[in-house]
Amino acid sequence: DTEVTQTPKHLVMGMTNKKSLKCEQHMGHRAMYWYKQKAKKPPELMFVYSYEKLSINESVPSRFSPECPNSSLLNLHLHALQPEDSALYLCASSQRAGRNEQYFGPGTRLTVT
Amino acid sequence: DQQVKQNSPSLSVQEGRISILNCDYTNSMFDYFLWYKKYPAEGPTFLISISSIKDKNEDGRFTVFLNKSAKHLSLHIVPSQPGDSAVYFCAAIIQGAQKLVFGQGTRLTINP
Repeated sequence: DTEVTQTPKHLVMGMTNKKSLKCEQHMGHRAMYWYKQKAKKPPELMFVYSYEKLSINESVPSRFSPECPNSSLLNLHLHALQPEDSALYLCASSQRAGRNEQYFGPGTRLTVT
Repeated sequence: DQQVKQNSPSLSVQEGRISILNCDYTNSMFDYFLWYKKYPAEGPTFLISISSIKDKNEDGRFTVFLNKSAKHLSLHIVPSQPGDSAVYFCAAIIQGAQKLVFGQGTRLTINP
């Protein structure tokens, strides 16, 4: 089973809203990732969690706040977003951070109005 | 500075023929390479990977070739099927690092 699940599938939020994206995997992977993908572009890394600890933050604005409550779950808390933050947000996991295949979820399509 | 480049934004191939997708890289520290396939509005799907100690890896219809001296890798799909129509991303990682570096993608269209 190489499934990573993400909820919700679609999200529309205003610039003053607070919302959260959720990601779950049950493959026993100890690394989890958040990516942002704009149309016709490759995925762009935002955060890496390794063994539930944040190991990489790619200079992401503080209006995006990641959280890893346990080894199977990853959240992305959103607050005061801008319209340019509208994108497909992808979660991925791998056995370990680094030289391992990453398995992606289906993504959350976020629209900020 | 684009360290992983896919110079063909699109490729069109007849069903049943071979599809060859190319990827070049500039950083000689990359030592592991991956190919992903992506349908619209879905997450990328892992296809195949290759370590820098190998020059070829096969998995069913998919074969990846690595030419380290040329800093070039290619993905061969034989035979091509309509379901292979998607965007293909090449990605690379440096040993000890945690970040995958992606190419810009190539849109493959398989024509019946």
